[in-house]
Amino acid sequence: EPEVTQTPSHQVTQMGQEVILRCVPISNHLYFYWYRQILGQKVEFLVSFYNNEISEKSEIFDDQFSVERPDGSNFTLKIRSTKLEDSAMYFCASSDYGAGTDTQYFGPGTRLTVL
Amino acid sequence: KQEVTQIPAALSVPEGENLVLNCSFTDSAIYNLQWFRQDPGKGLTSLLLIQSSQREQTSGRLNASLDKSSGRSTLYIAASQPGDSATYLCAVRPTNFGNEKLTFGTGTRLTIIP
Repeated sequence: EPEVTQTPSHQVTQMGQEVILRCVPISNHLYFYWYRQILGQKVEFLVSFYNNEISEKSEIFDDQFSVERPDGSNFTLKIRSTKLEDSAMYFCASSDYGAGTDTQYFGPGTRLTVL
Repeated sequence: KQEVTQIPAALSVPEGENLVLNCSFTDSAIYNLQWFRQDPGKGLTSLLLIQSSQREQTSGRLNASLDKSSGRSTLYIAASQPGDSATYLCAVRPTNFGNEKLTFGTGTRLTIIP
């Protein structure tokens, strides 16, 4: 069964460094998302992406964050200058509303630790 | 602003029992509701999705119902097994065209006692 994959599974970085989290959505999906979950808290929406542009973003997704689909398979989240409070599990998700299903499929997540 | 709440926060039941998990949301203008399972330190596995026009969905031992007007959904698990132990999350999608973001609940941590 197709699945969303994410790399790396765990990323440790120093405060102020740039990180890139990578995702490979399900191949025929057209809608892509990033969510995050700070330890012990709710899963929070960050950004949605369709047709090579951001369709919606949350208040969390400030100028330090960016997303990109550099090729036909990868979807990346970049944090330019990490802060301690960016430490969280980051989930990528994808969906294909054109197929008549609205289900968002989530990847296993990348645990980001900012020291 | 949509708020999603799940009660109880934690639940422990003996193996074999049937159980119900609750989800409530403040804004009834939703497009659909999705139930997920999350194992410790892992990603989210989609269990069931109910469109706003539907009343319930079933998959195996799982049955999810939706009462949009009252802002409630329940997830019924029949004949519980130790492998069902996990955190269960519900999430709602708003009706706005082009708005696909999910708003998640607080989760219910379920423990099935062998």
